[in-house]
Amino acid sequence: QLVESGGGLVQPGESLRLSCSVSGFTFSGFWMGWVRQVPGKGLEWMANINDDGTKKFYADALRGRLTISRDNVEKSLFLQMDSLRVDDTAVYYCVSSHHPGAFDFWGQGTMVTVSS
Amino acid sequence: ERVMTQSPGTLSVSPGERVTLSCRASHYVSDDNLTWYQQKFGQAPRLIIYGATSRATGIPDRFSGSGSGTDFTLTISRLEPEDFAVYYCQGDGGSFGGGTKVEMK
Repeated sequence: QLVESGGGLVQPGESLRLSCSVSGFTFSGFWMGWVRQVPGKGLEWMANINDDGTKKFYADALRGRLTISRDNVEKSLFLQMDSLRVDDTAVYYCVSSHHPGAFDFWGQGTMVTVSS
Repeated sequence: ERVMTQSPGTLSVSPGERVTLSCRASHYVSDDNLTWYQQKFGQAPRLIIYGATSRATGIPDRFSGSGSGTDFTLTISRLEPEDFAVYYCQGDGGSFGGGTKVEMK
């Protein structure tokens, strides 16, 4: 089970830290990631992190504003987003990868609204 | 930039029909790391196919994936009412296609 938290209403230019609490599998054994979806639109991959947190990958369009991290002791995944813009308004999903290139499990998503 | 292009954008079909969805990559997809997801309204996406051809746990065998290189296909052999949804492909590198909506005719 993946449970996201930290969404809500934020002002443009602010920062936000999303969290994802994981249970039901050995968290430290799998890559994790974040995907977002503007309501009514398609999916956008944002970032991945490997099992021990030493390798991080970001979507080109978002690199520089994102920091993905994880705490394998607390079984949690994090996403720091800086300089938020109105077009960052979306549902943010935490995902786990149990097969190469695939996101096997998804959280229910947390809504982030960027508005003044 | 790695671009995944899905076609058609919308497919209007009836239950029992055979459905074929296309996904084309702008680049060679390494190790056939092509993934398909199903998303129903108001729900998170669900993994259907990974590695281009392998069904995820619990996915019925009416779903099948094929293809390699840059061209991939998701086929639903006989559409069931619960299959009406949006289907996304994802290539290596993370990029998603724009989705194909399978709607009732």
